[in-house]
Amino acid sequence: DAGVTQSPTHLIKTRGQQVTLRCSPKSGHDTVSWYQQALGQGPQFIFQYYEEEERQRGNFPDRFSGHQFPNYSSELNVNALLLGDSALYLCASSPTGFEADTQYFGPGTRLTVL
Amino acid sequence: LAKTTQPISMDSYEGQEVNITCSHNNIATNDYITWYQQFPSQGPRFIIQGYKTKVTNEVASLFIPADRKSSTLSLPRVSLSDTAVYYCLVAGATNKLIFGTGTLLAVQP
Repeated sequence: DAGVTQSPTHLIKTRGQQVTLRCSPKSGHDTVSWYQQALGQGPQFIFQYYEEEERQRGNFPDRFSGHQFPNYSSELNVNALLLGDSALYLCASSPTGFEADTQYFGPGTRLTVL
Repeated sequence: LAKTTQPISMDSYEGQEVNITCSHNNIATNDYITWYQQFPSQGPRFIIQGYKTKVTNEVASLFIPADRKSSTLSLPRVSLSDTAVYYCLVAGATNKLIFGTGTLLAVQP
């Protein structure tokens, strides 16, 4: 049973460019959350998708957008990249219908903005 | 704002039992307590989750007192490979996870 997968592993972009990161959830999971982790910090919640809609959103600007597909996979898009967007981007998946939100994380995508 | 408080760092030696305590004074009735382990440049790895009393799995134990305002993660006989950052979180169903800075556990030979 494959866990959460993310692509690409690493990415280098320049300021002002746009980037798309991809995530496939763990089998049986239908909810996908995205987090940004700066060096030395804990992950920060960006947003969560369920049934192809954004269900919750953290304190991130509109430059950060996402999408969830019918097969539950998800994309994170960041427009007009800033140097401060350099971070490890983590995708986590979880099933619905349970009392506890046990999220399982992927390996992350390391984004470097030059 | 993180809903939990835990020590910034801890030191231990191989073979010792390590207990990391987390404070969550404002835990809600429907919140569960979850611990994650994270190695550098990797995603957090789920360790254990509980609601009350004691939970044990193959890697750790989680002790939760009756008032649920704190919890203790217990790692038996740590090894060098247990050196990592450990995060304590509280969340209910479908809630976003709010991470603090975690506890950096350093295991020495």
